[in-house]
Amino acid sequence: SAVISQKPSRDICQRGTSLTIQCQVDSQVTMMFWYRQQPGQSLTLIATANQGSEATYESGFVIDKFPISRPNLTFSTLTVSNMSPEDSSIYLCSVDRRGWTRGYTFGSGTRLTVV
Amino acid sequence: TQLLEQSPQFLSIQEGENLTVYCNSSSVFSSLQWYRQEPGEGPVLLVTVVTGGEVKKLKRLTFQFGDARKDSSLHITAAQPGDTGLYLCAGNPTNTGNQFYFGTGTSLTVIP
Repeated sequence: SAVISQKPSRDICQRGTSLTIQCQVDSQVTMMFWYRQQPGQSLTLIATANQGSEATYESGFVIDKFPISRPNLTFSTLTVSNMSPEDSSIYLCSVDRRGWTRGYTFGSGTRLTVV
Repeated sequence: TQLLEQSPQFLSIQEGENLTVYCNSSSVFSSLQWYRQEPGEGPVLLVTVVTGGEVKKLKRLTFQFGDARKDSSLHITAAQPGDTGLYLCAGNPTNTGNQFYFGTGTSLTVIP
């Protein structure tokens, strides 16, 4: 299955600033997904990123707050903009490398704390 | 409102006991997956079920997809401390893209 490198693994940021999270996959993938997770809780899909087109955002998430880049088939970034303490969470990227029957592979996540 | 509701939310049992986790929805899914997640890591896929009524076994874990493809269950036999983790179901609703939406999660602790 795909290997995903996600960084940073954790960060503590000041409110009002922005953080960009990077996700690197060891092979080309069509779709990449960004999720948010409160510790010990479930995952909420933020957006789906396809190479060469704008990301598709889920209800409650907007591009101005969570801009996503997808410059090629192995890389994506998620930026958390103008952060507030409510943005403190774990952010995960994932890929569906071999079709949906094979499931998702996840990065190890970025634990963000906004102070 | 979460698309997939899991029960129980928390479960603490003794080593050797059996348990069942449920994943329910009013929506129909093309497929449903189960994941286990340990602290500091991303979720790891356990199984995918695609056919209504399907039963899959993975060692001591038994997964079942409901006949109507709206629900699923995970049964663990003779639980071990290594089974401790957050169990998540995830469904791909019919007539949508490849997105999977995750259930509310079940945190399992197996006490030695």
